[in-house]
Formats: sequence, structure tokens, C-alpha cells
Amino acid sequence: DVKVTQSSRYLVKRTGEKVFLECVQDMDHENMFWYRQDPGLGLRLIYFSYDVKMKEKGDIPEGYSVSREKKERFSLILESASTNQTSMYLCATTGYGNTIYFGEGSWLTVV
Amino acid sequence: QQQVKQSPQSLIVQKGGISIINCAYENTAFDYFPWYQQFPGKGPALLIAIRPDVSEKKEGRFTISFNKSAKQFSLHIMDSQPGDSATYFCAASMLVKAAGNKLTFGGGTRVLVKP
Repeated sequence: DVKVTQSSRYLVKRTGEKVFLECVQDMDHENMFWYRQDPGLGLRLIYFSYDVKMKEKGDIPEGYSVSREKKERFSLILESASTNQTSMYLCATTGYGNTIYFGEGSWLTVV
Repeated sequence: QQQVKQSPQSLIVQKGGISIINCAYENTAFDYFPWYQQFPGKGPALLIAIRPDVSEKKEGRFTISFNKSAKQFSLHIMDSQPGDSATYFCAASMLVKAAGNKLTFGGGTRVLVKP
């Protein structure tokens, strides 16, 4: 079974803080993704990476950055958190197959 | 601009009934259409998927119907059970092997099956 682990499940941060969300996968997959999930809007792609040190912007990259120094780890960074970034964040991974595997999500509240 | 539009946002169905969720897409280059199921506190998990070369795919009580000319696809849950209560997302993508499978999701449908 593919395991996608998001180490921080629930976080509360203050406006202006720098926030790191970490994701680790154990299947040696090339591709990793960060999505944001909001009610009524579904899942929206923030950034994705198809190789170490490679990254590409998704549909809503503003206010976010990412880092992929190792194949198994993909980090989402909020340089200066704002209240409109309160959301659930989902990490996902896929190899060359069709199926995307998701982590269990990180709930972020910015106050 | 939402490239994949999903309806309804929520639905309630009696146990044993049929749940129907509809999606419409705009990008004719999409060639892979999966449905994901998400239980509270969990990430979405692949339920069933279809390619545009077939009009219907069935797996157990779950069926995808696909209408290429109308750019629409739907999920039917037959004999709905309380354990099917979850949020369902349709999605679409272009299968590009080198860059993985970058999905565009619909807004989600919360399904509640009453016993």
C-alpha cells in the first residue's frame, strides 16, 4: 500500500508567521502535489513537482512556495500566513500510473 | 474559472436508493475522468475512473456514465448504503506520462444515506 504521510494534522498559526507543511511518501514516486481543499471549491492545485528540485506552479500558487530536496519529501511553505489561507491542505503522489494517492490532510487555521 | 462543474453540492438518499452526481467539463483535451471518495478526516481515495473511449464503466454498485459529445459524466451509486455517506469528487486530466497526472477537480458532493 502506498503511504503518504502528512506529519502535521492540525495547526493554528498567527497572521504573518512562516508555516511549513511536510509530506513524505514511501513508494519512490516521481510526482508529488499540494492541493488545497475548501467547501464548494473542491481541490485546487497549488504546486507540483515531477522530480527532485523541480517544481511547477498549479492553479493557485500565490502566497505559497515549495521545496523538494529529496524524492520522498515535498514541503509546502507559507512565507507569511494570512487568514485567507485557513484551509485543509492535501499532499498527493503518483508514479507513471493513473492513480493519485492522497495523504490524510493538514488542517491549518490562521488567526 | 472552474473547468469541472459538479452538481448537486449535497444530496440525501434513503438506504437502497440511487445516488446520482453529475459533472461537466470544458477542456476537450481531457482524457481521463476519475471519481474520488472522501470520508471525514481522511484524504480522497480513487473510487472508479473512465477513459473517453467507453460510454459506461461499472464496478460493483458504482457506475460511471460518460457522454463525450455533451462533455458530461456522472456517477451512479446503486442500492446506496449508509457506509456510502461521504463526499464525492469528480475530476479530469490529460494523461501526460512525463509529468504525472495533474487532476482538475469538481467542487464535491456531500452524500448522506439515511438508514
